[in-house]
Amino acid sequence: RKEVEQDPGPFNVPEGATVAFNCTYSNSASQSFFWYRQDCRKEPKLLMSVYSSGNEDGRFTAQLNRASQYISLLIRDSKLSDSATYLCVVNIGQGGTALIFGKGTTLSVSS
Amino acid sequence: NAGVMQNPRHLVRRRGQEARLRCSPMKGHSHVYWYRQLPEEGLKFMVYLQKENIIDESGMPKERFSAEFPKEGPSILRIQQVVRGDSAAYFCASSEGGRGVEAFFGQGTRLTVV
Repeated sequence: RKEVEQDPGPFNVPEGATVAFNCTYSNSASQSFFWYRQDCRKEPKLLMSVYSSGNEDGRFTAQLNRASQYISLLIRDSKLSDSATYLCVVNIGQGGTALIFGKGTTLSVSS
Repeated sequence: NAGVMQNPRHLVRRRGQEARLRCSPMKGHSHVYWYRQLPEEGLKFMVYLQKENIIDESGMPKERFSAEFPKEGPSILRIQQVVRGDSAAYFCASSEGGRGVEAFFGQGTRLTVV
């Protein structure tokens, strides 16, 4: 089983749509969770951290379900500029470990 | 505050040559991570270093690849005797700490082996 799994997509949605991405992780000891965004041929950039209580940043909402080892990202009112690959990222956080990335989910928003 | 700086941005090497990729972390960051991204693939963890120490190299190929993060200067990812399969984007990231802290990425070095 892969450490971090995501549906690769692509998700093709019209402007204004609401879209949700899911991610599962295999290591129950994982302690920190993030969503990164990567534009074509660019470096990944932090979109938001994911907290147990869930958190929202404008049109973006992230949720964490530790029991199911599941993370989600909801994007409301999609914009053309949201087109990118969204990476689910997990960190075990014990003794110093690196971030482990999922392969990403590709979103394409069209007008 | 400059971000993570990688150089060169593009590197072309012939098969059998050596490639050296450099990464200067963000100011105040002492943790550096190297990732490789093959075309149409996700980011694969390679190695995690702190100053003068390799913390986790579980993602590094056993041969030809090495990494260092000296007390002074940038982190270096070194690939000896490059082969075509080494062609990829190599990203470096840095963070303040190694436990659950977000990392910030450089723009990457695109290595092409011809």
